[in-house]
Amino acid sequence: RKEVEQDPGPFNVPEGATVAFNCTYSNSASQSFFWYRQDCRKEPKLLMSVYSSGNEDGRFTAQLNRASQYISLLIRDSKLSDSATYLCVVDPREGGGNKLTFGTGTQLKVEL
Amino acid sequence: DTGVSQNPRHKITKRGQNVTFRCDPISEHNRLYWYRQTLGQGPEFLTYFQNEAQLEKSRLLSDRFSAERPKGSFSTLEIQRTEQGDSAMYLCASSFPGDEQFFGPGTRLTVL
Repeated sequence: RKEVEQDPGPFNVPEGATVAFNCTYSNSASQSFFWYRQDCRKEPKLLMSVYSSGNEDGRFTAQLNRASQYISLLIRDSKLSDSATYLCVVDPREGGGNKLTFGTGTQLKVEL
Repeated sequence: DTGVSQNPRHKITKRGQNVTFRCDPISEHNRLYWYRQTLGQGPEFLTYFQNEAQLEKSRLLSDRFSAERPKGSFSTLEIQRTEQGDSAMYLCASSFPGDEQFFGPGTRLTVL
């Protein structure tokens, strides 16, 4: 079993739609959780950290369920510019700064 | 540009040759990481340094791979006797301890 599992997609959605991505992780001792965004042939960039209380950044909402070892990302009012691969990332140590374990990524295509 | 830089951006080599990649981190960052990413997969951790000390190495880092960070600034990753399975994007990232990792643009290696 992979340490971080994601549906690879692609998710094809119309502009303005709401889309949700899910991710599960196997290491129950993991401490920090993130969503990274990766554009085609570019490096990954941090989209947002994920906290147990849930957190929101504009159109993006991330949730963490430690009991189920499950992380989600919700994108509202999708834009064409949201088209990218979204990587679920887990760091087993508090505060990050150590090795990151990435999922395979979920590909999103937002269409007119 | 004060971000993470990597050189070369692309490298094509023949099987059996040695290759060396360089990473220049963000200058204030004392942590430096190497990851490898193959097509359709998320990045996989290889190794990381705090200053000049190599603190952790993945099982993926076979004895053909060696990484150094001699003065705690730039780092090199050398692959000896390259194999076709080494073809991948090699990503470098840097950070402060416990903080966001910033990735460089990567070196794309093709082994013929």
